[in-house]
Amino acid sequence: DAKTTQPPSMDCAEGRAANLPCNHSTISGNEYVYWYRQIHSQGPQYIIHGLKNNETNEMASLIITEDRKSSTLILPHATLRDTAVYYCIVRGNAGKSTFGDGTTLTVKP
Amino acid sequence: DVKVTQSSRYLVKRTGEKVFLECVQDMDHENMFWYRQDPGLGLRLIYFSYDVKMKEKGDIPEGYSVSREKKERFSLILESASTNQTSMYLCASSFWQALTYNEQFFGPGTRLTVL
Repeated sequence: DAKTTQPPSMDCAEGRAANLPCNHSTISGNEYVYWYRQIHSQGPQYIIHGLKNNETNEMASLIITEDRKSSTLILPHATLRDTAVYYCIVRGNAGKSTFGDGTTLTVKP
Repeated sequence: DVKVTQSSRYLVKRTGEKVFLECVQDMDHENMFWYRQDPGLGLRLIYFSYDVKMKEKGDIPEGYSVSREKKERFSLILESASTNQTSMYLCASSFWQALTYNEQFFGPGTRLTVL
């Protein structure tokens, strides 16, 4: 599975959009991009995934570049409850996936 | 809602003890996973299972074994606990759908301390 690179931390003002970047330059054609988040003391929670088209659900939007080497998770109106560690992973095998250190997003009032 | 439950939130054991961590999911998922999470190392896959009685090694299987006798239950076993196995252990499950599409649902985690 491809490796991902994320900034270690980011801040965002409450009510503003949070844009979390992820680089996955070694991604291969059949690998999906997944985003999870982990709020302190809880297990990771699935947010969204995509292959090559942009995706949107009730939680977030996922923008994947045309060459698929990077993506951005967008939380359109961040709230204090969105403060968490956000993990970007790419996965082509149904069994295994590797989580990196993620990005710690802090939403400030 | 999918529910993945783990037998304990906190556990304290002594070096050399045999430790069982239990995980149960209620959504008839084929795949189940055990991870450990340590500061600065992210989540690392220990073992996973894609069917009853089937198991596959993850990235760090040494010192661990697993058991999957029933579809809904996946157990992680530390045969002889050591202090370097002090960690947060997370269980997850997912459907077997297409090869690449399998959203994982995680349990709340078990924080194990080995003294």
